[in-house]
Amino acid sequence: AQSVTQLGSHVSVSEGALVLLRCNYSSSVPPYLFWYVQYPNQGLQLLLKYTTGATLVKGINGFEAEFKKSETSFHLTKPSAHMSDAAEYFCAVSVWGANNLFFGTGTRLTVIP
Amino acid sequence: DTGVSQNPRHKITKRGQNVTFRCDPISEHNRLYWYRQTLGQGPEFLTYFQNEAQLEKSRLLSDRFSAERPKGSFSTLEIQRTEQGDSAMYLCASSLESLAGRGEQFFGPGTRLTVL
Repeated sequence: AQSVTQLGSHVSVSEGALVLLRCNYSSSVPPYLFWYVQYPNQGLQLLLKYTTGATLVKGINGFEAEFKKSETSFHLTKPSAHMSDAAEYFCAVSVWGANNLFFGTGTRLTVIP
Repeated sequence: DTGVSQNPRHKITKRGQNVTFRCDPISEHNRLYWYRQTLGQGPEFLTYFQNEAQLEKSRLLSDRFSAERPKGSFSTLEIQRTEQGDSAMYLCASSLESLAGRGEQFFGPGTRLTVL
């Protein structure tokens, strides 16, 4: 079975500072990894995904994530936080042939002006 | 806009009442998924359809829950005899079978259920 651990349920950064949201996964077979963003009372919007190929993945809104197999990690970063980045972020894992995504418990990002 | 749509967006009901939610997937998508998200948690898988066939149900889907996708297009999720513990955001997602193997799903805005 697959699982995801997101370290830090709340992260606060100053506007313009580096954003780092941590995600570690567990999977016995090669994983597919995703980051989603959720604004209050909204659904999930896909930020980026890793399926195969390049391990550094770029997404929307200036976010990127790097798949590190040796560390079983897929941390999300953004060089400079913007006020509009304040939201809940979810890391998710799947594998080939699985019929659903396994989500972490989420990290709420607060951006301080 | 041709994304996934869900109705209603919000539903408030009294304990013991039945509720039904609707999901309209992206038109060419043959897979449709339902997830439940409780406060402070990530979404949890409930069930999925390929066309009109319901192929998998999570143990979270108690007997009071039933989902249908009668014509392989829109889907409904019904909760009978609602309990306060059913209060959650219910998310629908859709995918093409060719994308689903890699876990790629497109989510709707969700229906927030509050059971009083």
